Amino acid sequence: EPEVTQTPSHQVTQMGQEVILRCVPISNHLYFYWYRQILGQKVEFLVSFYNNEISEKSEIFDDQFSVERPDGSNFTLKIRSTKLEDSAMYFCASRGLGGVAEAFFGQGTRLTVV
Amino acid sequence: KQEVTQIPAALSVPEGENLVLNCSFTDSAIYNLQWFRQDPGKGLTSLLLIQSSQREQTSGRLNASLDKSSGRSTLYIAASQPGDSATYLCAVLDSNYQLIWGAGTKLIIKP
Repeated sequence: EPEVTQTPSHQVTQMGQEVILRCVPISNHLYFYWYRQILGQKVEFLVSFYNNEISEKSEIFDDQFSVERPDGSNFTLKIRSTKLEDSAMYFCASRGLGGVAEAFFGQGTRLTVV
Repeated sequence: KQEVTQIPAALSVPEGENLVLNCSFTDSAIYNLQWFRQDPGKGLTSLLLIQSSQREQTSGRLNASLDKSSGRSTLYIAASQPGDSATYLCAVLDSNYQLIWGAGTKLIIKP
């Protein structure tokens, strides 16, 4: 069964450093998403990506964040100058075309900023 | 703005009981609703997807219903087992193709 793959599973970084979280969506999917979940809190939407551009982004997704689909298969989330409050589980998801398509999630990257 | 609420926040029941988890949403303009399971510190496992035109979906001991007009969904778990212990999340795909999440119900099944 096709799946969304995220790497690394856990990343520890020092405050102020840049991190890149990687995702390989399901190959024929067209919509890509990043979500985050701070420990003990709700899953929060960060950004959606369609047709090689951002289609929606939340208030959380400020200039510190960026996304790329560099090579047609990977989908990356870059966080510049990380802060302690960026510590969270980050989930990538992908979805096929249309409202009826199910979203498939990766297993997440746990980011710890120290 | 779409809001999703899950009640109760936590539930503890003895093994073998049937149980119902609730999810409500404020805007009925949704494409679909998904139920997920999350084990502590782990990822999101999709359990059931109900399209907006459907009333229910079943998978094994799980049955999810959807009443779009009243903004409600339920997840029914039959013959609960200790392995069902987890947090159950519901999420709706709204008119902007965004998944809006509830805070989850933490379920504990006591052996």
